[in-house]
Amino acid sequence: EVLLEESGGGVLQPGKSVRLSCSASGFNFGEHLMHWVRQIPGKGLQWVSGISWNGRKKEYVESVKGRFTVSRDNAKNSLFLDMTDLKTEDTAIYYCVKPLGIMGGAYDHWGQGTLVSVSS
Amino acid sequence: DIQLTQSPSFLSASVGDTVTISCRASEVSKSYVAWYQLASGEAPKLLIYATYILASGAPSRFSGTASGTDFTLTINSLQPEDSASYYCQVLNSFPNNFGQGTRLEIK
Repeated sequence: EVLLEESGGGVLQPGKSVRLSCSASGFNFGEHLMHWVRQIPGKGLQWVSGISWNGRKKEYVESVKGRFTVSRDNAKNSLFLDMTDLKTEDTAIYYCVKPLGIMGGAYDHWGQGTLVSVSS
Repeated sequence: DIQLTQSPSFLSASVGDTVTISCRASEVSKSYVAWYQLASGEAPKLLIYATYILASGAPSRFSGTASGTDFTLTINSLQPEDSASYYCQVLNSFPNNFGQGTRLEIK
């Protein structure tokens, strides 16, 4: 069974930093492209970042470029999202997501999400 | 970037009805679209991928079709548990943009 478990969220002030983690099991994590997606309150879903299986290729939505960094540790089946210079508009539930195929495709497994709330 | 314009934003229907949700892509290209259900308090669930294919575990009353840049999710014989928000997503390239969402209310 595929399991994705996020952690690291919380209530933070604008300008602060936080690291989100995702622990993966039940599939060959080291072979899969992985994503972070967020659910913004009242505004729906937004793809945030994707990282190739070996961590060499990384993509970000424009609004987080230069502030967020995605990384992975395949030896520990873990995915990370380092978020710096947080803004109130980063408030969201952040999901770790596995695509159907190792190279991408639709998102067939989602974690339960971790809430990041940015407020002064 | 391929943008998706989803409509309607809100839909109210009764048990047993058939409803359709539309998504229009901004580019005339071969786009692959997925559809997700987001129920309150739950993680999103994949319903349809590669425009037409029913995801494992998704009820057969959900179906996806396409014509040019217009993509449609159809839900036949609505059930009370279909009360949720629905999102389309384009997957050809980054960013994997989502549509704005459709909230479906079951009367």
